[in-house]
Amino acid sequence: QQQVKQSPQSLIVQKGGISIINCAYENTAFDYFPWYQQFPGKGPALLIAIRPDVSEKKEGRFTISFNKSAKQFSLHIMDSQPGDSATYFCAAHRGGTASKLTFGTGTRLQVTL
Amino acid sequence: KAGVTQTPRYLIKTRGQQVTLSCSPISGHRSVSWYQQTPGQGLQFLFEYFSETQRNKGNFPGRFSGRQFSNSRSEMNVSTLELGDSALYLCASSLGSGGANEQFFGPGTRLTVL
Repeated sequence: QQQVKQSPQSLIVQKGGISIINCAYENTAFDYFPWYQQFPGKGPALLIAIRPDVSEKKEGRFTISFNKSAKQFSLHIMDSQPGDSATYFCAAHRGGTASKLTFGTGTRLQVTL
Repeated sequence: KAGVTQTPRYLIKTRGQQVTLSCSPISGHRSVSWYQQTPGQGLQFLFEYFSETQRNKGNFPGRFSGRQFSNSRSEMNVSTLELGDSALYLCASSLGSGGANEQFFGPGTRLTVL
């Protein structure tokens, strides 16, 4: 119940295209869903996050779509650029005394020219 | 403002040895969390320390331990190393306790166990 399933494992998108990464979860106690971006040799960095009372959040070219009934959320990168090439992790947070982030397994995105 | 720093950046050990990794959080951050990152497994939560107290622990054996000092710096220790402990170990700091606070990650320590 603590798992977050992420797909696809890797993704190749042409410059200007839309990148879509999907995540699914089981635990309805999750209350915060961040996405992290990681470049080679660096630690992950928070990209955008959403709470389950909102169905969509947009920050620049990055949008999270959240479907509470389906227990799914996705990251959309519009007008994908070569500089977006990185590994993306979704995560889910469960609060309370066992507060922690559970991460997906990551998606390696390559944006080609 | 300086980011999260981790030392050493690379480490090679042999099976059976022990290792200590260090993490200095962003100034003012009192929470430090540790994660193990391996290909195909993503980031696995090890533990979180806040104000020198362990707040939460992941599903790792007792060989993995940590501590936090009064200046919020944290160390992680792995005893009796196994080949499967080879991984990138990341620490993340945040202002408050719990994963819902934005976590700022360091660059990690790459541990190779031979």
